Amino acid sequence: DTEVTQTPKHLVMGMTNKKSLKCEQHMGHRAMYWYKQKAKKPPELMFVYSYEKLSINESVPSRFSPECPNSSLLNLHLHALQPEDSALYLCASSQDRERGTTGELFFGEGSRLTVL
Amino acid sequence: GEDVEQSLFLSVREGDSSVINCTYTDSSSTYLYWYKQEPGAGLQLLTYIFSNMDMKQDQRLTVLLNKKDKHLSLRIADTQTGDSAIYFCAESTSRDDKIIFGKGTRLHILP
Repeated sequence: DTEVTQTPKHLVMGMTNKKSLKCEQHMGHRAMYWYKQKAKKPPELMFVYSYEKLSINESVPSRFSPECPNSSLLNLHLHALQPEDSALYLCASSQDRERGTTGELFFGEGSRLTVL
Repeated sequence: GEDVEQSLFLSVREGDSSVINCTYTDSSSTYLYWYKQEPGAGLQLLTYIFSNMDMKQDQRLTVLLNKKDKHLSLRIADTQTGDSAIYFCAESTSRDDKIIFGKGTRLHILP
């Protein structure tokens, strides 16, 4: 299984709603990532979890709250978002680079979020 | 700091070779990657090259790395309509888990 699965594929929410994006991988990867991608732009790193601990937070507003319940799952909790937060949210995972692997990211297909 | 630069657009005739260029600034880069993104989809790793290599070939894909000039290129031989996508150059270092992406080059295939 070389897939990263993201749900939902599409999400429309109001600015007062609370919702969550989910990501799952069963490749035994130890690092999981959230990226945000606006149209015609590159992915922007938001968070990195390494061995289920938050290792990188790229100064993301607190209305985005990541959670890593176990090594296979990654959530992104959304609360009080703004219309400018509308984007494609990509989850990725990677193997442990220290073990001699290339550290390449395996991406999910993304969750397209629209904030009204 | 870390920065990855690419030209934004490339137009190539079907059957010709496409060459997408990338420059990076971080001399401690360990791996450099090429990702492909089709409309509405996630990013798919095409190929990668380790920083101590000069060239890597994988079927229609050839990656060239000039470490002195911090220049990376991706050559796609016999370009097909299915190659139409955005191609992202990306780099990683041994310092942390970050992978930094360029802005992406949109490859357009002419009939």
